[in-house]
Parts: sequence; C-alpha cells; structure tokens
Amino acid sequence: GENVEQHPSTLSVQEGDSAVIKCTYSDSASNYFPWYKQELGKRPQLIIDIRSNVGEKKDQRIAVTLNKTAKHFSLHITETQPEDSAVYFCAASITGNTPLVFGKGTRLSVIA
Amino acid sequence: DSGVTQTPKHLITATGQRVTLRCSPRSGDLSVYWYQQSLDQGLQFLIQYYNGEERAKGNILERFSAQQFPDLHSELNLSSLELGDSALYFCASTLAGENTGELFFGEGSRLTVL
Repeated sequence: GENVEQHPSTLSVQEGDSAVIKCTYSDSASNYFPWYKQELGKRPQLIIDIRSNVGEKKDQRIAVTLNKTAKHFSLHITETQPEDSAVYFCAASITGNTPLVFGKGTRLSVIA
Repeated sequence: DSGVTQTPKHLITATGQRVTLRCSPRSGDLSVYWYQQSLDQGLQFLIQYYNGEERAKGNILERFSAQQFPDLHSELNLSSLELGDSALYFCASTLAGENTGELFFGEGSRLTVL
C-alpha cells in the first residue's frame, strides 16, 4: 500500500521568512495530494491540494509543487505569520479508489 | 464548524474495558472515515464506510470494530483496551464514496486508557 514520508518533523522560522515542507510517496498510481493544517487542540483542515495533472498550485501565501517522476511534493509558505504555527500533514491517495494516507506531520513554529 | 459531530469529546477508562465513539457526518455525506492520531504516528486510517457498507479497511486492530447505521451516523467500538490505545480518534466525512476531495473532520474524541 501507499507510504508517505514527511520532512522535517519540526521547523522553526522567523516571522516573514519562508517555510518548506517536503513529502515523498511510494505508490506511483497516487494522483491526489492534499495538505491539512491542524492547530493546537483543533481538527485537521484542508488548506490546499493538487492533482497529478498539474505541477504547481498557488493560493495566496501557500503553494504546492508536485514532481511525479521523483514521487515527491512540497508545501511552500511565504511571508510566514504567527498564525501559521500549527502541525501540517501531507497526504496521498488514488482518486476514486483509496482513502488518504497521511504523513506523520510537521510542527511549524513561526517566531515573532 | 465542519458539520461533523463526535461524542464524547473526552473519555477516560481502564485497561480491559470497552468504549464506543460516535460520529454524525455532515448533512448529506454518505462516507465516514475513522482515523487514529497518536503522538508520533500522525493520522492513521482505520476504516471507511459508505452508505452503510464497509468500503475500505486500514490498520484497524481486531479488537476494534465499526459500523454505519441507516441514518448514516457511525460508531467505533474499542474493546479489551490497552494503554497504547490512548489517542485522539477522528471521524471525517465526505459526500461520495470515492476520495475526490476534502475530508471534513470532527473535533475528535480523546481516549485515555489508564
């Protein structure tokens, strides 16, 4: 089955700097790659997703890139703010077939 | 508010006991997923139901079972509890059986086994 590896497990950045979180997946048939944000004590919420027919997607300060050949995808957050502090999870699945498999998460701390 | 309701929010019990966690999906959603979140293990997929039928099974222990009822709410039953079962259990729902988009998570049920 699918296996998703996520790095780093913790990340600290200064406010205003960029943050990058990377994930790799094992199943070349996976074609849906969402990112979820979980604030302390809250539920995970989708922040952005990408499907395998595109290489990059952007939504304001966040962007996701996908390299299907290398089987990795990344989350980029620019101009980080204290409210970006949370745990971020990447995930992968085969659309229409399998439930999401999540990475173990990255705890992002934005230092003011 | 995601529209997914989970009860209880917190549960403390002893080893060997049995508990039931309940989930009401968003109105109109037919698919319910259960995930377990432990400290260092991220979100582990347990089981999925679609319109009352089991759709997919993940790393769910034999001591655990689930079902989805005709009104689409779901229950996760955990029996012969062990210390290692202490975790946050999330329910999530989607409209369709296929994974085509956003999972809407509930607030979770935090289980502590003493």
